[in-house]
Amino acid sequence: KNEVEQSPQNLTAQEGEFITINCSYSVGISALHWLQQHPGGGIVSLFMLSSGKKKHGRLIATINIQEKHSSLHITASHPRDSAVYICAVRSGGGADGLTFGKGTHLIIQP
Amino acid sequence: DADVTQTPRNRITKTGKRIMLECSQTKGHDRMYWYRQDPGLGLRLIYYSFDVKDINKGEISDGYSVSRQAQAKFSLSLESAIPNQTALYFCATRAQGEETQYFGPGTRLLVL
Repeated sequence: KNEVEQSPQNLTAQEGEFITINCSYSVGISALHWLQQHPGGGIVSLFMLSSGKKKHGRLIATINIQEKHSSLHITASHPRDSAVYICAVRSGGGADGLTFGKGTHLIIQP
Repeated sequence: DADVTQTPRNRITKTGKRIMLECSQTKGHDRMYWYRQDPGLGLRLIYYSFDVKDINKGEISDGYSVSRQAQAKFSLSLESAIPNQTALYFCATRAQGEETQYFGPGTRLLVL
């Protein structure tokens, strides 16, 4: 069973700061996902990574397969970025579905 | 209209009652999933289905059953609800060959 650890669990920052959220996993994977959950509860997919780096607007996600580690960066953070960010992995093989980290609760203060 | 819908959105029930949560999708995806989310524990997989005839248990299937009535519909049942099944339940879909999962809006269930 893959273990997914996220850090930090909670993060409060000022508007404009550069944000980094980390994710590590214990077993090789076929894909890693970064998800965003807003206070209303809905979950949206931000990125899917199997290698390298992806960028979408102010969000950047990287993955190091050898070190079993991924980071999500937010540049020029804004209060609307306040949400829970969740790392999830699909381990591949016969089983399906995602294994999730516990999430990082991010608050960006104006 | 949302691609993945869940009904009901909120439900309060009593211990021992049977309850069904429903999920429908218009994305045409073959794979469907049920997850539950508990504070401090993150989301966990309950059941998943590759198609109408292929249903599989996830990490925490005890106390739950599912039915894939059609490609577009995947229902989760609690035969006899208990208080520790109080949680936020999400349905999700994925297309074969693709990785991205699309989540429904969630169902908040409170078992008294």
